[in-house]
Amino acid sequence: AQTVTQSQPEMSVQEAETVTLSCTYDTSESDYYLFWYKQPPSRQMILVIRQEAYKQQNATENRFSVNFQKAAKSFSLKISDSQLGDAAMYFCAYSDPLGGATNKLIFGTGTLLAVQP
Amino acid sequence: DAGVIQSPRHEVTEMGQEVTLRCKPISGHDYLFWYRQTMMRGLELLIYFNNNVPIDDSGMPEDRFSAKMPNASFSTLKIQPSEPRDSAVYFCASSLWGDTEAFFGQGTRLTVV
Repeated sequence: AQTVTQSQPEMSVQEAETVTLSCTYDTSESDYYLFWYKQPPSRQMILVIRQEAYKQQNATENRFSVNFQKAAKSFSLKISDSQLGDAAMYFCAYSDPLGGATNKLIFGTGTLLAVQP
Repeated sequence: DAGVIQSPRHEVTEMGQEVTLRCKPISGHDYLFWYRQTMMRGLELLIYFNNNVPIDDSGMPEDRFSAKMPNASFSTLKIQPSEPRDSAVYFCASSLWGDTEAFFGQGTRLTVV
C-alpha cells in the first residue's frame, strides 16, 4: 500500500527567510501525482503545488517550489521569502490513476509551520 | 461557482443520535470524496463516488457510517448511532475526471458528547 511520511511535525521560519518541508512516500507505481496542501486555521484545504511523476522538471508556483527526487521517493516543499500568511499546517499527499480516480488522496501527517515576524 | 459547499459547518450532538452531513460538489464535477480528519489518524479517505456511484467504501470505519449520492449535486454522510470517537472534521471534495486537482469544502466539525 502507498504511504506518505512527513517527519517534521513542526517547523519555524523567520519572515522573508526560506524554509523546506520534507516528505517521503512509498509506492510501487511508476505513474502518480504528488501534492502539497495548505490548511490555515480556517481549516480550508488549499492546493499549493502539484507534481506529476513522469515530469522530471520540478514544479514551481511563485514562491513555492518542490524538489522531486523520484528514485529516492522524496518530495520536499521550499517556501521562499516566507510571509506571515504562510503560517499553516502543510500536508503532503499522493495519488495514482489506479482505479481511474487521480484524486483519491493519501495524506501525510502534516507539518505545522510557524512564521516569526 | 461557489466551490464545494458543506453543511453544517459545526455540529454538536449527543451519543446515540443520528447525524447527517451534507455536501454540494462543484457543478460538472464527476468525482466526490468524503475524508475525515482527526488528531490520531490525520486525513483519511472514507468513500468516493464517480458519477453518483460509490466506487470504494473501504475507508468507512463501521456499519454505522453510510454515504449516498442521489444526484450529481448532492451527497450525504450519515452516522447512526453516533459515538464520541466519531468526533472529527469531515471534508467533502470534488474533482473532474482528467484534472488532478481536488477541491475541498470547508469541512464540518462534528462533536459527539
